[in-house]
Amino acid sequence: EPEVTQTPSHQVTQMGQEVILRCVPISNHLYFYWYRQILGQKVEFLVSFYNNEISEKSEIFDDQFSVERPDGSNFTLKIRSTKLEDSAMYFCASSEALQGAEAFFGQGTRLTVV
Amino acid sequence: AQTVTQSQPEMSVQEAETVTLSCTYDTSESDYYLFWYKQPPSRQMILVIRQEAYKQQNATENRFSVNFQKAAKSFSLKISDSQLGDAAMYFCAYRSYFITQGGSEKLVFGKGTKLTVNP
Repeated sequence: EPEVTQTPSHQVTQMGQEVILRCVPISNHLYFYWYRQILGQKVEFLVSFYNNEISEKSEIFDDQFSVERPDGSNFTLKIRSTKLEDSAMYFCASSEALQGAEAFFGQGTRLTVV
Repeated sequence: AQTVTQSQPEMSVQEAETVTLSCTYDTSESDYYLFWYKQPPSRQMILVIRQEAYKQQNATENRFSVNFQKAAKSFSLKISDSQLGDAAMYFCAYRSYFITQGGSEKLVFGKGTKLTVNP
């Protein structure tokens, strides 16, 4: 069964460093998303991406964040200068269509900023 | 803006029994989707069931069913014949229907309910 794959499963980084979280969406999907879940809190939307551009972003998704689809398979989230409060689970999701389609989630990357 | 509230941080159920998880939401939209996602210890988010707001019939997926009360903005999940593998965090989520007409494509999640299944 096709699935969304995220790497790494856990990343530890020093405050101020740049990190890149990687995702391989399901191959025929066209819409891609990043969500974040701070420990003990709700899952929050960060950004959606379609046709090589951001289609929607939340207030959380400020200038330190960027997304990219560098090739036909990967979808990345870059955090330029990490802060302690960026520590969270980051989920990638993809869907086949916009209207009515299920979003399939990856298993998440746990980011720990020290 | 839409909000989703899950008032039960934790619930427990005996194996083979039935449990109901609560969810309420707030929206000014007339058409939307509602979802229940399961997050087991592996942390993957798995879709359990979904409901289109324009459908009056409650959705059912095997042992999982919902009680959708549109006027009350309530969307509860009933798990029948609970199994040990049902133990997980359960998240209720909302999504706009008319995305191409200005609705948001994002999922709005509640805080989750941790379900424990006792043998």
